[in-house]
Amino acid sequence: QVQLVQSGAEVKKPGASVKVSCKASGYTFTSYAMHWVRQAPGQRLEWMGWINAGNGNTKYSQKFQGRVTITRDTSASTAYMELSSLRSEDTAVYYCARDVLDCSGGSCAPVGTFDIWGQGTMVTVSS
Amino acid sequence: SYELTQPPSVSVSPGQTARITCSGDALPKQYAYWYQQKPGQAPVLVIYKDSERPSGIPERFSGSSSGTTVTLTISGVQAEDEADYYCQSADSSGTLWVFGGGTKLTVL
Repeated sequence: QVQLVQSGAEVKKPGASVKVSCKASGYTFTSYAMHWVRQAPGQRLEWMGWINAGNGNTKYSQKFQGRVTITRDTSASTAYMELSSLRSEDTAVYYCARDVLDCSGGSCAPVGTFDIWGQGTMVTVSS
Repeated sequence: SYELTQPPSVSVSPGQTARITCSGDALPKQYAYWYQQKPGQAPVLVIYKDSERPSGIPERFSGSSSGTTVTLTISGVQAEDEADYYCQSADSSGTLWVFGGGTKLTVL
């Protein structure tokens, strides 16, 4: 079945970096986009960015520009999200979510249907 | 930056109809999507492209759009529908995504 399995919980010190993985199975990895979304305790969902798993193109939220890097390894059907210069406010559950790619306009972009989600990865930033 | 606005909470009795709204300036141009999230779980897509329902989602979930406001309607609310609901859409460029603040649905 189609599923996304994320890496385990992380505890990091302020200023460090964290890299979370998201392994896809049950579908053609390179035909879709992957988004990363986070949720601080008791807070709203917050979109961070996406990657076209086929060609590696990325787009990031302005809020995280310069601190977040989304990559993928097509041979492993895995997407990664790395967040640097961590601070306590980055303590959150981080999710990956699959999205359909629309390539009708010459270039491909996700349409917004976050149809499959990973189970989430808790990242705690504490000194 | 672009924002989507939802009411913080909605309360209904079992069997009644719940309506959750989401407002945003780009909604006339961009599709909206709705997610249900229960405590400790990942979100689940319940409506896509304003009014389409994914397979496996009960028919009591429906969506509509009018101008800068989209609405998630849950007819015949059941106790299991108690959850947080988030709308999501893109800004006018269509490449940057945003979630609303979430609405807590309480089934009385």
